[in-house]
Amino acid sequence: KAGVTQTPRYLIKTRGQQVTLSCSPISGHRSVSWYQQTPGQGLQFLFEYFSETQRNKGNFPGRFSGRQFSNSRSEMNVSTLELGDSALYLCASSNSGHADEQYFGPGTRLTVT
Amino acid sequence: KQEVTQIPAALSVPEGENLVLNCSFTDSAIYNLQWFRQDPGKGLTSLLLIQSSQREQTSGRLNASLDKSSGRSTLYIAASQPGDSATYLCAVRLYNNNDMRFGAGTRLTVKP
Repeated sequence: KAGVTQTPRYLIKTRGQQVTLSCSPISGHRSVSWYQQTPGQGLQFLFEYFSETQRNKGNFPGRFSGRQFSNSRSEMNVSTLELGDSALYLCASSNSGHADEQYFGPGTRLTVT
Repeated sequence: KQEVTQIPAALSVPEGENLVLNCSFTDSAIYNLQWFRQDPGKGLTSLLLIQSSQREQTSGRLNASLDKSSGRSTLYIAASQPGDSATYLCAVRLYNNNDMRFGAGTRLTVKP
């Protein structure tokens, strides 16, 4: 079974721009979660999607949004980029339930200049 | 608010040594606890998942325990190898909002 894939792997953007990141979960998995990892704050939960609906949301501003498609693929969008948005963005997929094991993708490294 | 703490922040051991990494959490209302490994600049690799009703899980040279009542988990690595060098993270899945909270990690170096 193929693992979680994320595209692109690296991205450089300028302040004020917007960016869209993509995540394809493991086949059969219906839950996709997004996380931001920075040296200062560590790993922080952004949001989770299940069956095309946002099931849970972390404490991030509205500039961060996401969606999930009928094939469970998910996209995350960040508008009006700030320097502090530079981070490794990780997505994880799980089968469905809250108690299921999470499997992470390799991440997208976003640099905002 | 759930806080997850990992001690020590960094650990350096000679090859072959057995070692224990610690993880503590403040709220016992969790679905499960998961241990991950992260190599520099890479994603997370799941090592072990312990459900809240379980006491331990084993995979090869790894053994993880969970004491939910005291808010503690340990990851035991037997006969460490240089290839075990990485950052190890623990995370708890919260019961009330399904959020996943991570510790800051323990950076392990195993010297040949």
